[in-house]
Amino acid sequence: GQNIDQPTEMTATEGAIVQINCTYQTSGFNGLFWYQQHAGEAPTFLSYNVLDGLEEKGRFSSFLSRSKGYSYLLLKELQMKDSASYLCAHLGNQGGKLIFGQGTELSVKP
Amino acid sequence: GAGVSQSPRYKVAKRGQDVALRCDPISGHVSLFWYQQALGQGPEFLTYFQNEAQLDKSGLPSDRFFAERPEGSVSTLKIQRTQQEDSAVYLCASSPSQESSYNEQFFGPGTRLTVL
Repeated sequence: GQNIDQPTEMTATEGAIVQINCTYQTSGFNGLFWYQQHAGEAPTFLSYNVLDGLEEKGRFSSFLSRSKGYSYLLLKELQMKDSASYLCAHLGNQGGKLIFGQGTELSVKP
Repeated sequence: GAGVSQSPRYKVAKRGQDVALRCDPISGHVSLFWYQQALGQGPEFLTYFQNEAQLDKSGLPSDRFFAERPEGSVSTLKIQRTQQEDSAVYLCASSPSQESSYNEQFFGPGTRLTVL
C-alpha cells in the first residue's frame, strides 16, 4: 500500500516554532514533498527530500528519515500568513504522480 | 511568465449533467496531471499525460470520467452524468520534464465543481 499520515490540524502562536510530522508507507520510495495550500488557492511547492537529513530553506526546513518512513516540516518565526494547509506527499511508484496526505491545517494566532 | 490556468474557476451542475473542465499548463511543460480534492482532504491523483499520451488513468473513479490532451498542451477533464459525490475541487498540475524522478509540479488554482 501507499499510506501517508499527518495530523489534521495544529495551532501555534505568532513568532513561535511549529513541527508538522508525516509518516508514510510505500513499496518504492522516490522522494518526499511538502506543499503549502492557502484556502481556495493552488498548492505551492515548499520542499523536496530524497536523502536522509535536514534541508533548510529560510524559515522552513524539512527532515527525512527513510528507514523510519518519517518526515517533518519545521516552520520558524511563525507569521500570520503561515496559516494554511500543509500537504505531505511522496512520488508514486509509476510516473510522476504525487500521493498526498490529508493535509495539516495550521492556525497561527497572535 | 504565466502559471497553470484552469477554467471555469467555479461550476455548478445539476445531477446528470455533463461538465468539461479545462487546464492550460505552463508553456512547454511535458507532463500534466489531474487531481481531485475533496473538502478537508489532500489531492488525489486522477490521471497523467506525457505530451498527448495518457500514460496513467488509474485514479479515474469511474468510466464517467474522461480526460484528453490531443495536442500535448491544453487538457480537458470531462465528467458525464455528474453525481453529488463528484463535488470537489479539480486541480491540474504540470511539470517540465518527462523524467519520473524528482520533478516539481506546478498547480493551477483548481475548478470547484458543485453538483446539486
